[in-house]
Amino acid sequence: SYELTQPPSVSVSPGQTASITCSGDKLGDRYVCWYLQKSGQPPVLVIYQDSKRPSGIPERFSGSNSGNTATLTISGTQAIDEADYYCQAWDSSTARVFGGGTKLTVL
Amino acid sequence: QVQLQESGPGLVKPSETLSLTCTVSGDSIRNTYWSWIRQPPGKGLESIGYTSYSGSTNYNPSLKSRVTMSIDTSKNQFSLRLSSVTATDTAVYYCARDQAVYGGFDYWGQGTLVTVSS
Repeated sequence: SYELTQPPSVSVSPGQTASITCSGDKLGDRYVCWYLQKSGQPPVLVIYQDSKRPSGIPERFSGSNSGNTATLTISGTQAIDEADYYCQAWDSSTARVFGGGTKLTVL
Repeated sequence: QVQLQESGPGLVKPSETLSLTCTVSGDSIRNTYWSWIRQPPGKGLESIGYTSYSGSTNYNPSLKSRVTMSIDTSKNQFSLRLSSVTATDTAVYYCARDQAVYGGFDYWGQGTLVTVSS
């Protein structure tokens, strides 16, 4: 089965840029979505089709995907961005697959 | 505004069947795909599978032998049945609208905690 790997944690200072990676075999050949999840709440879609933002998601969230790595970038990170972030893609059988999640800490 | 709401027992005994229903408002169940996702306490997200009005389904291989999903168009609902549950099936279960590669999981229910215990 297809696997997606994320770093367990990422730290960033307020106002700086945070980058969260997601790795998988030939991931660049697949579309990737990103979700943020705050404690006790359901996940929220922040990026789909590698780099598109749903309505209502701030412009500071952006995404890219090439080779074996997709990246979620948060520019001008704010304290409210502190959350768990999950990448998600599709395997060859159309099954939905999630990465293990990355805890973003804004110090 | 699309809304989803999970419902079902919060406690299930080991070896029994977990049954959950997701009621959809603001969209027709005949559209797109509909998914179930779970999250064990303190852990990450796991896709259980998806279903659609057209009959297209896909279940997580690790759960496939125990999972059944169905759609009730008269009630605009879809359902999950997971048989022979054990403590490892204890999790928050989410239902979500699934736009596949076109848009991911764009709307989620609030989630419901299901505990497997005698």
